[in-house]
Amino acid sequence: DGGITQSPKYLFRKEGQNVTLSCEQNLNHDAMYWYRQDPGQGLRLIYYSQIVNDFQKGDIAEGYSVSREKKESFPLTVTSAQKNPTAFYLCASKGAHSSGANVLTFGAGSRLTVL
Amino acid sequence: KQEVTQIPAALSVPEGENLVLNCSFTDSAIYNLQWFRQDPGKGLTSLLLIQSSQREQTSGRLNASLDKSSGRSTLYIAASQPGDSATYLCAVLTGGATNKLIFGTGTLLAVQP
Repeated sequence: DGGITQSPKYLFRKEGQNVTLSCEQNLNHDAMYWYRQDPGQGLRLIYYSQIVNDFQKGDIAEGYSVSREKKESFPLTVTSAQKNPTAFYLCASKGAHSSGANVLTFGAGSRLTVL
Repeated sequence: KQEVTQIPAALSVPEGENLVLNCSFTDSAIYNLQWFRQDPGKGLTSLLLIQSSQREQTSGRLNASLDKSSGRSTLYIAASQPGDSATYLCAVLTGGATNKLIFGTGTLLAVQP
């Protein structure tokens, strides 16, 4: 089955530690995205990548880093510089819909808690 | 700057009722609008996508409409069921080189058996 796999599902981090969230897709999509979801605030865009070896900052990129060395993979590192990292993180990729439009397909999410 | 608002923030209805969820956006220059469903602690599932040139899309008991000029979309759910209980999010795809998807804050729906 084609889809997006995020791991780990739950992650606990001590203050000052960097952690990396994995996102892998086998949909052959070029574009991939990382969103952060907080209660009452909807989804906010952290980083996105339109193509391999290229990525752009979203609206809340400070304290995060990404890489896109392979088409299938778009890992997100939450660094110690991120002041409030506890949140639900969602990865998505964009590809063709049956209507011809591009739609986002989401992973199941990773919940990060800072202790 | 594009802003997307969803009203109401939460809604509780008895099983069998028809209901409408609202989504409004400030900039009418969009490529498309998507409605998603999110179950607690889960990712998002795409329900319907409406291209900017379309007025509505239907899938089963769901019907989404789009009025781009007024910056509004509605998601109509017919004959609601307890299994419809979830958070419903709308998102607009903006124009330009970035093609960013801007999300609303969602409507939490509870369908009571």
